Amino acid sequence: EVQLVESGGGLVQPGRSLRLSCAASGFTFDDYAMHWVRQAPGKGLEWVSGISWNSGSTGYADSVKGRFTISRDNAKNSLYLQMNSLRAEDTALYYCARRGLYRYSAFDIWGQGTMVTVSS
Amino acid sequence: DIQMTQSPSSLSASVGDRVTITCRASQGISNYLAWYQQKPGKVPKLLIYAASTLQSGVPSRFSGSGSGTDFTLTISSLQPEDVATYYCQKYNSAPHSFGQGTKLEIK
Repeated sequence: EVQLVESGGGLVQPGRSLRLSCAASGFTFDDYAMHWVRQAPGKGLEWVSGISWNSGSTGYADSVKGRFTISRDNAKNSLYLQMNSLRAEDTALYYCARRGLYRYSAFDIWGQGTMVTVSS
Repeated sequence: DIQMTQSPSSLSASVGDRVTITCRASQGISNYLAWYQQKPGKVPKLLIYAASTLQSGVPSRFSGSGSGTDFTLTISSLQPEDVATYYCQKYNSAPHSFGQGTKLEIK
């Protein structure tokens, strides 16, 4: 079964750091670009960051640029999001998502999400 | 950055109605447009990619059209299980922004 499982969320104080992980299974992880998408409570979807299959290309939303770092370990079938200098507005459910293989493929597989709460 | 604007923000329709949601990009994005359905408390689900290609397993009452800056999602005959929030997303280049969402309810 194709699956993405996020972990690492929790309650953290403003200004502190947190590292999210996403474990992939059921597909050839290193063939695919991967992304993080978040959703604040009661709000819409916000794309956060993405990384190419070989880590050669990364991208970030302006809201997290300079604070968050995306990475992957293809040997471990894992995606990561290092979140530094966390703010209250980073409170959200964080999903990892797979982008399909082909030129016009979109985000076809999503994890269940891991909740991050930034509060003192 | 390219902005994605959906309309309407909310919509109430009757079972069997034809429903249309629109999404406009502030600049051209070719066909790099996807539609997602998110039911309450659930994970987003890909419905349509490349503006008009139905994802495997999605009912044929869903369809998409458009290219460049203007796109539509159509449900040909609304069913009770279609109650959800629908999002468009551009993915031609980063940032892969989403629209603000359209909440669809049954009248």
